[in-house]
Amino acid sequence: DAKTTQPNSMESNEEEPVHLPCNHSTISGTDYIHWYRQLPSQGPEYVIHGLTSNVNNRMASLAIAEDRKSSTLILHRATLRDAAVYYCILRNYGQNFVFGPGTRLSVLP
Amino acid sequence: DTGVSQDPRHKITKRGQNVTFRCDPISEHNRLYWYRQTLGQGPEFLTYFQNEAQLEKSRLLSDRFSAERPKGSFSTLEIQRTEQGDSAMYLCASSLQGGLPYEQYFGPGTRLTVT
Repeated sequence: DAKTTQPNSMESNEEEPVHLPCNHSTISGTDYIHWYRQLPSQGPEYVIHGLTSNVNNRMASLAIAEDRKSSTLILHRATLRDAAVYYCILRNYGQNFVFGPGTRLSVLP
Repeated sequence: DTGVSQDPRHKITKRGQNVTFRCDPISEHNRLYWYRQTLGQGPEFLTYFQNEAQLEKSRLLSDRFSAERPKGSFSTLEIQRTEQGDSAMYLCASSLQGGLPYEQYFGPGTRLTVT
């Protein structure tokens, strides 16, 4: 399975942007980049996904490097409710999701 | 759409007892997944169903574990002769088909404590 590397933890101040990095140097041409997050005491929830182009949705933006070996999840204005563990996952057709330990994001008021 | 539900939310059992968990996926979803999550780790895949067929099982799923999805709707995960190492959060997820890209919707999980 393709692997990703994320920092163990990050901190942000409320109402400031947050950039969560993910390295995936062994990504293949057909691997999609998925981001999920897990709020305390809940199951993971989908945030965003992309293949080559940058993506925006109501929750976040995904910036994908030109060589696709890294990506960044951008939360434009962090709120206390965004405190969670964020998982960056690569997935190709026919593969299951492989979750790493993720990045624990703390949001300070 | 009521989302994925799991029952019970918490289960405390003594070592050696059998336990069964239930998952109700989103109604139109034909794929259902089971994961296990221990403290500080991401979820680990256990098994998945497409409709009633169990298509893949992880090596983590020992012989003491069995999962069913008899009519392609709800699913059950049974653990026989529980061990302390089985203490974890058991998560269920569902999705439409399996093609790329797709989104898995997770339930709140069942937290199992084996004493």
